[in-house]
Amino acid sequence: KNEVEQSPQNLTAQEGEFITINCSYSVGISALHWLQQHPGGGIVSLFMLSSGKKKHGRLIATINIQEKHSSLHITASHPRDSAVYICAVRSEETSGSRLTFGEGTQLTVNP
Amino acid sequence: DAGVTQSPTHLIKTRGQQVTLRCSPKSGHDTVSWYQQALGQGPQFIFQYYEEEERQRGNFPDRFSGHQFPNYSSELNVNALLLGDSALYLCASSLVGSGYGYTFGSGTRLTVV
Repeated sequence: KNEVEQSPQNLTAQEGEFITINCSYSVGISALHWLQQHPGGGIVSLFMLSSGKKKHGRLIATINIQEKHSSLHITASHPRDSAVYICAVRSEETSGSRLTFGEGTQLTVNP
Repeated sequence: DAGVTQSPTHLIKTRGQQVTLRCSPKSGHDTVSWYQQALGQGPQFIFQYYEEEERQRGNFPDRFSGHQFPNYSSELNVNALLLGDSALYLCASSLVGSGYGYTFGSGTRLTVV
């Protein structure tokens, strides 16, 4: 079992829909990251969370430390949101700043 | 303020050859981490360099080695290339003690034929 599990693996939505991507992890963490990866490979950091909730534009990220679960929400989705969204955690048990990644969720938003 | 720069962007090598990938961290960052991302999978940690030393290493064979220079830039070397080494290699930089914020490069796409 992977330390970081994401669901769903693939998600297709119509423009304007509310989208939720989930991330569960099995280790104690010091931080959780949500990342966006476009075709071609470049990764952009969206959020870094250690507790609670963060919002940036149409994106909202929440984390429940007790349940070891985080969600990324996209409101009023748009075709330009189409990308792979990846959850990554920094474990409390490892020194340094290595990240452990989920396998990503491929989001396609159709016009 | 330049972000993370990786070179080359694409590379094709033959089995058994050696390859060197390069990474310049974001200005002000002192730590460089390397990740391998196979097609359709999440990135896997290779190793991390800080103060010109390898500080952490993932589950990768000794064929994978690296270096960090005094200007914080880094190289990833892979010897005796295998077909399975074909992947996107990502570099991420950060600053020790800054709260774990990372900046990623666009990656080097390595194809081994």
